[in-house]
Amino acid sequence: QQQVKQSPQSLIVQKGGISIINCAYENTAFDYFPWYQQFPGKGPALLIAIRPDVSEKKEGRFTISFNKSAKQFSLHIMDSQPGDSATYFCAASRRTSGSRLTFGEGTQLTVNP
Amino acid sequence: SAVISQKPSRDICQRGTSLTIQCQVDSQVTMMFWYRQQPGQSLTLIATANQGSEATYESGFVIDKFPISRPNLTFSTLTVSNMSPEDSSIYLCSVGRAEPHNEQFFGPGTRLTVL
Repeated sequence: QQQVKQSPQSLIVQKGGISIINCAYENTAFDYFPWYQQFPGKGPALLIAIRPDVSEKKEGRFTISFNKSAKQFSLHIMDSQPGDSATYFCAASRRTSGSRLTFGEGTQLTVNP
Repeated sequence: SAVISQKPSRDICQRGTSLTIQCQVDSQVTMMFWYRQQPGQSLTLIATANQGSEATYESGFVIDKFPISRPNLTFSTLTVSNMSPEDSSIYLCSVGRAEPHNEQFFGPGTRLTVL
């Protein structure tokens, strides 16, 4: 059973635009929601994360919006740059399960110059 | 974040052989995990590597196929046994801490091709 569903599968944005990636989860016991960025040939890098006690977290150009009642969270990349072109994964975990991460399917983002 | 290295970075192996992947961390960590990422796909957790005891495997993964060792708090190995072409994937180790956050950091991965 896929517990974290991610969309879209791929996304093309113009430089300077806003990239938005969405995730939905099923397990209400999840209490930690990170986003990872992965470049070809590299391991995923932790980008930003949020806990369900806040509705938004911002770090530079990256913002997570969290809707607990809808069991959804999203990543917004403001002023998207060609260097942001990568695959983005959302994930979820719960502390009581030893922090094991369940990943979404991934979104391949292309930012055109 | 911890500095994580994996060896080898890539390998091409013959069907029926086994490969051991090493994961080294520059500091002691409580949790270590092994993931598989098939080409163009997401990450799937194989097992949690427990220091001093047997690894905890996820559904669909078994110890005979993916034996794991974790002799101390900075090192772990994953062996892919009796390989078939379906085992061609990127294998990633990650390290994490439970407090104050559930943050996990990934190594660079080992790209395995089985012929």
